[in-house]
Amino acid sequence: ETGVTQSPTHLIKTRGQQVTLRCSSQSGHNTVSWYQQALGQGPQFIFQYYREEENGRGNFPPRFSGLQFPNYSSELNVNALELDDSALYLCASSLISGPQETQYFGPGTRLLVL
Amino acid sequence: AQSVTQLGSHVSVSEGALVLLRCNYSSSVPPYLFWYVQYPNQGLQLLLKYTTGATLVKGINGFEAEFKKSETSFHLTKPSAHMSDAAEYFCAVSVPSGNTGKLIFGQGTTLQVKP
Repeated sequence: ETGVTQSPTHLIKTRGQQVTLRCSSQSGHNTVSWYQQALGQGPQFIFQYYREEENGRGNFPPRFSGLQFPNYSSELNVNALELDDSALYLCASSLISGPQETQYFGPGTRLLVL
Repeated sequence: AQSVTQLGSHVSVSEGALVLLRCNYSSSVPPYLFWYVQYPNQGLQLLLKYTTGATLVKGINGFEAEFKKSETSFHLTKPSAHMSDAAEYFCAVSVPSGNTGKLIFGQGTTLQVKP
């Protein structure tokens, strides 16, 4: 148990729709990162939030956006869903800043886009 | 640019045999290296990490890894495999991203343990 929770666990959407995924970090963790894991692949970095501001972004289009809230929760929003967005979405939180810090992962939300 | 290569997408061992999962990295800065395990339909669990100091790192469940700078490697080993070790294993390098870091993962290695 990492203390990081995600909801929902599974989700089915159709192409063109919008989706919001939620993550609740461990108390005191001021950094949250989101990753996309396609079937049979390693996770890929989407973006990261530090103290409620975007702190870095991977190679994902602007229709992927996020928010981080003061209560250690965060959201990943995806607009105009495409079939290739079908994946496991993982959030990870860490206690303090620095690339050496361990990121603690939630169980993920599996998104299927039809 | 930083990258991670895991040699062998599938590794099969017998119960009680040595487990060796290979990871090579490319990094332009001193690397911070991680091994995570993923069981079916679950998130990632940290096995061990290397930041600085001792190059032989011990983790949970009897796993260890050795950082070899000259070989740019961080291979994961376990002396004796258990059935419960069957899972997907990911090697990752952490690179600076703003005030913190982001993880660059390898493609993963599926470990099968045969009775």
